[in-house]
Amino acid sequence: ETGVTQTPRHLVMGMTNKKSLKCEQHLGHNAMYWYKQSAKKPLELMFVYNFKEQTENNSVPSRFSPECPNSSHLFLHLHTLQPEDSALYLCASSHRDNDQETQYFGPGTRLLVL
Amino acid sequence: DAKTTQPPSMDCAEGRAANLPCNHSTISGNEYVYWYRQIHSQGPQYIIHGLKNNETNEMASLIITEDRKSSTLILPHATLRDTAVYYCIVRVRAGNNRKLIWGLGTSLAVNP
Repeated sequence: ETGVTQTPRHLVMGMTNKKSLKCEQHLGHNAMYWYKQSAKKPLELMFVYNFKEQTENNSVPSRFSPECPNSSHLFLHLHTLQPEDSALYLCASSHRDNDQETQYFGPGTRLLVL
Repeated sequence: DAKTTQPPSMDCAEGRAANLPCNHSTISGNEYVYWYRQIHSQGPQYIIHGLKNNETNEMASLIITEDRKSSTLILPHATLRDTAVYYCIVRVRAGNNRKLIWGLGTSLAVNP
């Protein structure tokens, strides 16, 4: 257990569905991240939130919509996804003030888009 | 693009030391080297990190060369549960953010 939880752990959705991924951290961190991990590809950083403010969006399509209501919770809202969006979606958190900040990851949500 | 180069796969006998190499010849002076591992279909697990000096914790040791162009992660007594993909990562500064630049890692198989 890393102190970062993600729900659901597995999700199957059609291209017309709307779903949300949830992440919660119990580490007192102030930065949270969404990553995408596709088969045979490195982890791709999608979004960064620092003190609830979005500080990075790595050219992610608008069908992915993040939300960070407070420093402990992070959501990824999904709508009209494509089959190529099937991947492992990972949430991470860190303490931004520390120069040696370390990111701690949740277990991920395995998403399959049909 | 990843700033690190790792062998795609390695084998190690159970109980022996596993030495995982990593090249990061373009690393800058203020960029840290981080190691994570990922057991199949789970989230990456933090192992250790360092800047210049060698580091040791309860999981592993990190040996960084004096010129900082390469490093080695050492698992002193590998067990079957250490079978995983090991990522050597350089943390770079991008504006106000610090980013982990991931590669494809080394798939370590610990054999009985």
